[in-house]
Amino acid sequence: GAVVSQHPSRVICKSGTSVKIECRSLDFQATTMFWYRQFPKQSLMLMATSNEGSKATYEQGVEKDKFLINHASLTLSTLTVTSAHPEDSSFYICSAAKGRLDGYTFGSGTRLTVV
Amino acid sequence: DQQVKQNSPSLSVQEGRISILNCDYTNSMFDYFLWYKKYPAEGPTFLISISSIKDKNEDGRFTVFLNKSAKHLSLHIVPSQPGDSAVYFCAASAAYNQGGKLIFGQGTELSVKP
Repeated sequence: GAVVSQHPSRVICKSGTSVKIECRSLDFQATTMFWYRQFPKQSLMLMATSNEGSKATYEQGVEKDKFLINHASLTLSTLTVTSAHPEDSSFYICSAAKGRLDGYTFGSGTRLTVV
Repeated sequence: DQQVKQNSPSLSVQEGRISILNCDYTNSMFDYFLWYKKYPAEGPTFLISISSIKDKNEDGRFTVFLNKSAKHLSLHIVPSQPGDSAVYFCAASAAYNQGGKLIFGQGTELSVKP
């Protein structure tokens, strides 16, 4: 089955620093990957759609300069949280699919804590 | 604008009985629906999906029903097991929309008691 690997699983960083999260599709190629954010006891909120070889598409209200997305290859998308602040602390999850009707596989998530 | 809604934040069921989780949507362009199971601090795990051309899809103990006219879908788990206890999210996508991005409901926390 499709496997999506996400690293790191948890990271603690100081306020003002940047953090990079990687999302890899291990056994399939994904032209599109998605980045979500989840606050405690809330739904998964889509942040952006990552497109291989082109710019990411951000959802309304998501700061593109703060959450930098790079989809450099068909198996790797990265999310960089720039100049992180405590309010950026959250659970970030990526997902990918071989095709839209093949089911979307999610990574294991990254718990970001900004202190 | 909450396009996918799960109005029950929690559900408690006795082991062996049926669990029914409900989901409503507002966007008539959605044509693919999925259910995910999620534990805290983990990514969602895919359970079952259904295309809008069907009204039922079954996989083992899990059955998803789709009522397009009512814009409603439900997930039936029978028989329920304690290991089914988790948060369940329904999600929907539309072919026209950015490669089919998934829109999630708020989730329903299922507790199956022995």
